[in-house]
Amino acid sequence: AQTVTQSQPEMSVQEAETVTLSCTYDTSENNYYLFWYKQPPSRQMILVIRQEAYKQQNATENRFSVNFQKAAKSFSLKISDSQLGDTAMYFCAFMNGLHGNKLVFGAGTILRVKS
Amino acid sequence: NAGVTQTPKFQVLKTGQSMTLQCAQDMNHNSMYWYRQDPGMGLRLIYYSASEGTTDKGEVPNGYNVSRLNKREFSLRLESAAPSQTSVYFCASIGSGVFSNQPQHFGDGTRLSIL
Repeated sequence: AQTVTQSQPEMSVQEAETVTLSCTYDTSENNYYLFWYKQPPSRQMILVIRQEAYKQQNATENRFSVNFQKAAKSFSLKISDSQLGDTAMYFCAFMNGLHGNKLVFGAGTILRVKS
Repeated sequence: NAGVTQTPKFQVLKTGQSMTLQCAQDMNHNSMYWYRQDPGMGLRLIYYSASEGTTDKGEVPNGYNVSRLNKREFSLRLESAAPSQTSVYFCASIGSGVFSNQPQHFGDGTRLSIL
């Protein structure tokens, strides 16, 4: 069974600075997808970024980028130029499309951006 | 707006009462999912339906039943609610494809409290 571990329950960062959230996972599969979801206080689940395991290039979406290390089974999220609106819970998630496209989530990291 | 609609948004039950959470999607997605979110544990899969007419257990199915009424609707039933089922419940859906890289689309969640 796949597992996802987020070792940082809480993080804080000053506005305009950079922060990195950690995620490791365990799987015996070779083809899979990884995601970072943002959950603000409104409780919505918002997709931040996705990474296909077969791609070596790290995904980037504006201020958000990942460091995907397949051999190490590591998938960290870097947020540059942090904004107050980035304050939220962040979940790392794993999906293998060969098993019903089910998502396996980490426990989450609460990120607080301070002014 | 297209998306996943959950009803109700909030509910308080007494121990032993029954309740059905409703979920509908209008994106013509094949697969639908029910997750529960508890503090410190991320989202965990309760049940899913890979296609109309099929349902399968997820990680935490005990105490729940589901019905895939048609392609649009996937309901979650608590037959005899217990305080341990106090949680936030999310419904999600995803499009077709043997190996889909589409992220799951989430509803806004139902906060359920059982006294």
